[in-house]
Amino acid sequence: GQNIDQPTEMTATEGAIVQINCTYQTSGFNGLFWYQQHAGEAPTFLSYNVLDGLEEKGRFSSFLSRSKGYSYLLLKELQMKDSASYLCAGKYGFNKFYFGSGTKLNVKP
Amino acid sequence: SQTIHQWPATLVQPVGSPLSLECTVEGTSNPNLYWYRQAAGRGLQLLFYSVGIGQISSEVPQNLSASRPQDRQFILSSKKLLLSDSGFYLCAWSGGVAFFGQGTRLTVV
Repeated sequence: GQNIDQPTEMTATEGAIVQINCTYQTSGFNGLFWYQQHAGEAPTFLSYNVLDGLEEKGRFSSFLSRSKGYSYLLLKELQMKDSASYLCAGKYGFNKFYFGSGTKLNVKP
Repeated sequence: SQTIHQWPATLVQPVGSPLSLECTVEGTSNPNLYWYRQAAGRGLQLLFYSVGIGQISSEVPQNLSASRPQDRQFILSSKKLLLSDSGFYLCAWSGGVAFFGQGTRLTVV
């Protein structure tokens, strides 16, 4: 639902920076959330944006442009343990969360 | 602090058998509660959403139902499981950000 789109898979090198993009339907939108999910585990919350701009949390940053229906998650100083799927989720209406299909990030040595 | 409990972690059920998955939340009152399903290698599909006791919103017509008999208890049920019901079922609660339980991996055989 809500046309949450993100790339299926990305590969990056340990120590590098990677940007995972997400586009979403703007009608009824109330916030953008990023989650990390390791294989076989439940998603864990990383970051969220309600207003335009950049939110920084350590090695992870998330950006939002409400007018463009666009967000990205930036991961710096990549580590092998960052290999996981990253889920983009939009909050709509009162409190409904709709997820994209996830971006599988492969970190290589 | 708030915690969410979901059980069992894994379940193997024959086709045509009933299903009951339970989720409970501690440390908060009147949370929004959610059931999601994740097929292998896919994103999270919102199944049910609840804002209060007895209030259930269904997102997708299917072979499943949900109930909320108490403020912090959310139950996912089926009278007769289908092979297509196999997947990773996740319960979540939200007071702003969605947080997930550990998930139940259901295999219908």
